Amino acid sequence: AQTVTQSQPEMSVQEAETVTLSCTYDTSENNYYLFWYKQPPSRQMILVIRQEAYKQQNATENRFSVNFQKAAKSFSLKISDSQLGDTAMYFCAFTFNFGNEKLTFGTGTRLTIIP
Amino acid sequence: DAGITQSPRHKVTETGTPVTLRCHQTENHRYMYWYRQDPGHGLRLIHYSYGVKDTDKGEVSDGYSVSRSKTEDFLLTLESATSSQTSVYFCATHGQDRGEGNEQFFGPGTRLTVL
Repeated sequence: AQTVTQSQPEMSVQEAETVTLSCTYDTSENNYYLFWYKQPPSRQMILVIRQEAYKQQNATENRFSVNFQKAAKSFSLKISDSQLGDTAMYFCAFTFNFGNEKLTFGTGTRLTIIP
Repeated sequence: DAGITQSPRHKVTETGTPVTLRCHQTENHRYMYWYRQDPGHGLRLIHYSYGVKDTDKGEVSDGYSVSRSKTEDFLLTLESATSSQTSVYFCATHGQDRGEGNEQFFGPGTRLTVL
């Protein structure tokens, strides 16, 4: 079974700075997807960014980008110019490209942006 | 946002009582999922459905059952609630039959407390 590991339970950074959240995963499959989800205090789960394993180019969404290292099974999230609204739990997640797309989540990183 | 609602949003119950949580979607999505979220564990899959009357177990299915009699509703039942089932429960959906890494859409969550 695949596993997802987030080794940073909590992080904090000053507003406007850049922060990187780490995620590693383990799978023997070659065809899969990786995601970062954000969960603000409202508890709503919000997709931040996704990466398709067969694409070498790192995904980018505005201030959010990933560093996808397939051989190392690493998938980190970089948040540039951090804003107070980025304060949230961030979950890394994995799914196979098999159709039912069950998600396997990491344990999360609680990120606090300091004014 | 996908139209996913969960009811109730909060519930307090006593050990040994049956509890049913409802997930309702208006997107006509084929796949539906129930996850539970606990500190230190992230989100873990309980059960999922790949069509009407088609369901399967997830990672933490013991003590839970599900039913899906129509596309828009997915029910999660705790036959005899225990304190270990105190958690936040999320429903999620997605509509693609085959991979594409499409996003799972999450409901707002239900906080269940078993005393």
